[in-house]
Amino acid sequence: DAKTTQPNSMESNEEEPVHLPCNHSTISGTDYIHWYRQLPSQGPEYVIHGLTSNVNNRMASLAIAEDRKSSTLILHRATLRDAAVYYCIRDNAGKSTFGDGTTLTVKP
Amino acid sequence: DAEITQSPRHKITETGRQVTLACHQTWNHNNMFWYRQDLGHGLRLIHYSYGVQDTNKGEVSDGYSVSRSNTEDLPLTLESAASSQTSVYFCASSESESGGYTFGSGTRLTVV
Repeated sequence: DAKTTQPNSMESNEEEPVHLPCNHSTISGTDYIHWYRQLPSQGPEYVIHGLTSNVNNRMASLAIAEDRKSSTLILHRATLRDAAVYYCIRDNAGKSTFGDGTTLTVKP
Repeated sequence: DAEITQSPRHKITETGRQVTLACHQTWNHNNMFWYRQDLGHGLRLIHYSYGVQDTNKGEVSDGYSVSRSNTEDLPLTLESAASSQTSVYFCASSESESGGYTFGSGTRLTVV
């Protein structure tokens, strides 16, 4: 199965770090791990992606397990604007499959 | 600024009609994709293209077709619309096979 596994929902307090987990135990060696987020009535927004090494950008950090069977998206300081559905996907040259994602709620 | 635009934003059509959804990007990306998203679920890949004259079937391609005559456009055609194709359709593009995707704002299609 090419889908990833994520918790249905998570909650966080504003200005605290958030760790969103993703399991992709059947990932192949050439699959990239992508993260996107989606607000209601909008298209998904790119967050971050990586292959083997941990990645950082202005939005988030991506920690990839050494065996690549799981990864964690880290939002260093959650804001109310980070409340969204977060999707972790395996991607191989565009052949990607989205699961149902994690709905992140951020409490003020 | 470069962008990816979809039209129309909303469409209602009747069962059996042919419908075409437009996707236009000015990123000059070679790779373009069509997804559908049913209420409360993630996206499923319909068709994708790696360049002009290249098209490939995705996970849920039955009843859909695409054509790629230039870099900027990948129109999605529903040959004979069915109620099961009521969904939100997203177009996306990427610069390379390992790059992140840029998504359009979506087209909400209702088949009655």
